[in-house]
Amino acid sequence: SAVISQKPSRDICQRGTSLTIQCQVDSQVTMMFWYRQQPGQSLTLIATANQGSEATYESGFVIDKFPISRPNLTFSTLTVSNMSPEDSSIYLCSVEAPNEQFFGPGTRLTVL
Amino acid sequence: GENVEQHPSTLSVQEGDSAVIKCTYSDSASNYFPWYKQELGKRPQLIIDIRSNVGEKKDQRIAVTLNKTAKHFSLHITETQPEDSAVYFCAASLGNQFYFGTGTSLTVIP
Repeated sequence: SAVISQKPSRDICQRGTSLTIQCQVDSQVTMMFWYRQQPGQSLTLIATANQGSEATYESGFVIDKFPISRPNLTFSTLTVSNMSPEDSSIYLCSVEAPNEQFFGPGTRLTVL
Repeated sequence: GENVEQHPSTLSVQEGDSAVIKCTYSDSASNYFPWYKQELGKRPQLIIDIRSNVGEKKDQRIAVTLNKTAKHFSLHITETQPEDSAVYFCAASLGNQFYFGTGTSLTVIP
């Protein structure tokens, strides 16, 4: 299994600002994933982050809005840029550790 | 990409009854189908999974069936208990990526 932590656990931000979410895993993993879960909704994949290469973004998500870093095999960050109230959501990082996805506790973001 | 549909969106059952949640997927190349349980305010947790070379898998009160030809799979919970109340998500895996269904909010009435 994999133990994942995220910082911050929650934040309230003003529109137009940016927030960087950190994800730390207790073991080395090749692939890390970032999801968004809006209230009462399912999990939507934002991007896949591989160490040493550019993140791969899903349709509807772009690097300028959601830049991702993956400096090593245990850490990743997701930045939500130029935020608007529509960005209010829970953001979860996830790793695949063989044949199972483990999720972080999530970051609850509220944009005013 | 993969498209996963899940039904019903809400489900209420009496304690002790069975609950069934159904999902369909679009890409026949998907080969791994996990089910996640998400309690309020918590992260999704894997409860059972099935691979495309298996038709059925059971773990105590939980079972999953897969029909590859029809591209649908189902979660069955027997003898439901109040602690089974949660949101359940199915997913289909295509390579290393997981595509989630829209979720089913299950309420078990004591």
